[in-house]
Amino acid sequence: AQKVTQAQTEISVVEKEDVTLDCVYETRDTTYYLFWYKQPPSGELVFLIRRNSFDEQNEISGRYSWNFQKSTSSFNFTITASQVVDSAVYFCALSFSGTYKYIFGTGTRLKVLA
Amino acid sequence: GAGVSQSPRYKVAKRGQDVALRCDPISGHVSLFWYQQALGQGPEFLTYFQNEAQLDKSGLPSDRFFAERPEGSVSTLKIQRTQQEDSAVYLCASRDVTQETQYFGPGTRLLVL
Repeated sequence: AQKVTQAQTEISVVEKEDVTLDCVYETRDTTYYLFWYKQPPSGELVFLIRRNSFDEQNEISGRYSWNFQKSTSSFNFTITASQVVDSAVYFCALSFSGTYKYIFGTGTRLKVLA
Repeated sequence: GAGVSQSPRYKVAKRGQDVALRCDPISGHVSLFWYQQALGQGPEFLTYFQNEAQLDKSGLPSDRFFAERPEGSVSTLKIQRTQQEDSAVYLCASRDVTQETQYFGPGTRLLVL
């Protein structure tokens, strides 16, 4: 089965707190791609990051960092020093070579309170 | 450069009406995808085009749903005889052939009364 699970439905934090959004995936393919997207209230999905299955290096981009661990089939996303503008729904997605169609998780709604 | 655009942004239809949703992909993007996003859920794949060829339509929920991309650029998703369960946001995405990343439009929010 190919599946993405985002167990956290909603998270609320106070501004400047760190927050980690969890993503667990299932696949038997050896080559796959993982993504995170942000969906603000306007509705458009904004691309944040892509990871290939053969590249387990963690990545940091400003206040954002991602931890990819094949051993636990997880691709977690951490926001450091959260800001109100980070409030959105965040989706983790999985795709494969071929059609590259995405399998999305159900999303995590992040609320950052001032 | 311009991103993916979709029109209309909002559509209200009476049950039984036909609707047509338009997607303009990023210029030069060969691949185009349609997704359906129900309220509070993640987007679900509907169909995929490479140029004008519809290579995967496994996600279309019924034969009332039809998509086309006749010239390999603009795409239209048509829903015939709309039902209340068709109410959702319909997202279009495009992808450059050399990349794995899809870029999404703002979506069309369809409400069937």
